[in-house]
Amino acid sequence: DAKTTQPPSMDCAEGRAANLPCNHSTISGNEYVYWYRQIHSQGPQYIIHGLKNNETNEMASLIITEDRKSSTLILPHATLRDTAVYYCIVRVVNDYKLSFGAGTTVTVRA
Amino acid sequence: GAGVSQSPSNKVTEKGKDVELRCDPISGHTALYWYRQSLGQGLEFLIYFQGNSAPDKSGLPSDRFSAERTGGSVSTLTIQRTQQEDSAVYLCASSLDRGLAGGFSYEQYFGPGTRLTVT
Repeated sequence: DAKTTQPPSMDCAEGRAANLPCNHSTISGNEYVYWYRQIHSQGPQYIIHGLKNNETNEMASLIITEDRKSSTLILPHATLRDTAVYYCIVRVVNDYKLSFGAGTTVTVRA
Repeated sequence: GAGVSQSPSNKVTEKGKDVELRCDPISGHTALYWYRQSLGQGLEFLIYFQGNSAPDKSGLPSDRFSAERTGGSVSTLTIQRTQQEDSAVYLCASSLDRGLAGGFSYEQYFGPGTRLTVT
């Protein structure tokens, strides 16, 4: 699987949009971009995934660049409960073995 | 509905003792996964169950680790003769996936984990 690079941490003001970047320059054509988050003392939680088109669900939006070498997860109106570690991974759909790196620690401040 | 539950939430044990960790998956989820998460190591896959069988045990770190699943539901991860390097958070996840024939397109839902500390 291709590796990803994320900033180690970022702060965000409550109510503002949080934009989380991820680089995956070696992504293969059959690999999807997935985002998960892990709130303290909880298990990881799926957020969103995409192949090449931008995606939106009730939690977030995913913007993938045309060359698919990077993506941005957007939390449109961050709340204090969005404080968590966010993981960006790339994987083929049939690969059930999830593997996370260090992720980005996002702190939402009032 | 109820999510994935795990017990105990915390376990402190002495080196050399055996421990059992329990996972109750979401009802109806036939696929069950065990992972380990430790500082500096990220998320590490251990084993995958489809029903009561384990087609992939490749992530179990040694023969001290074993797991079983009964009735297509509850799973138990057993660590024998625990070592300090076994200290970690052990996570269980389940999904609706039906295995290699059906593909893995459903999301995995994780439990809160069991924090194991070996002293």
